[in-house]
Amino acid sequence: NAGVTQTPKFRVLKTGQSMTLLCAQDMNHEYMYWYRQDPGMGLRLIHYSVGEGTTAKGEVPDGYNVSRLKKQNFLLGLESAAPSQTSVYFCASSEPTGHYSPLHFGNGTRLTVT
Amino acid sequence: DQQVKQNSPSLSVQEGRISILNCDYTNSMFDYFLWYKKYPAEGPTFLISISSIKDKNEDGRFTVFLNKSAKHLSLHIVPSQPGDSAVYFCAASAGPIQGAQKLVFGQGTRLTINP
Repeated sequence: NAGVTQTPKFRVLKTGQSMTLLCAQDMNHEYMYWYRQDPGMGLRLIHYSVGEGTTAKGEVPDGYNVSRLKKQNFLLGLESAAPSQTSVYFCASSEPTGHYSPLHFGNGTRLTVT
Repeated sequence: DQQVKQNSPSLSVQEGRISILNCDYTNSMFDYFLWYKKYPAEGPTFLISISSIKDKNEDGRFTVFLNKSAKHLSLHIVPSQPGDSAVYFCAASAGPIQGAQKLVFGQGTRLTINP
């Protein structure tokens, strides 16, 4: 039982390049989330999903797209990377039971855009 | 506009003493609060939570206090241990959206426990 797995762990992009961050969970969780963490800012919600085939915008969605084609996977895409997207990205999932189920986080992807 | 604020970026406490981490919020719609702990190169892990209908919740060495009138919560760790050295994030929720948790996080406080 790996929990929430994020790939890759590190990535360096040039401005304008594109990439996809992959998140996989093996806990059969219905809800999945993408957060970014920046110094002095805490974690901010980018997009989230309430189930397979659904996505919704969070607090800072601009410049990102997401897809949830399979229940266990949640992909975060950057179509044209910008230096402002340099950050640590965390994926999380939560259980379908209970209104306040804690989020389970992956170990993060550190992205640098030059 | 930072709705959840942790005004102390860092805190240093001696092993065995009490650690008190503070968090303030501005949104009166928040009705559930959580603390997460984060070690370097790992994701945050859930530590303890409290509903707005309570003013205290305890779990072993960890106690969270909520003062709704002051829009303030605190995490007490007694006694503090070296393994408690980590970054602690306060988070708040205004209620699930279709069951999903849209948490708002504070900036984090780095706690260092000195032997």
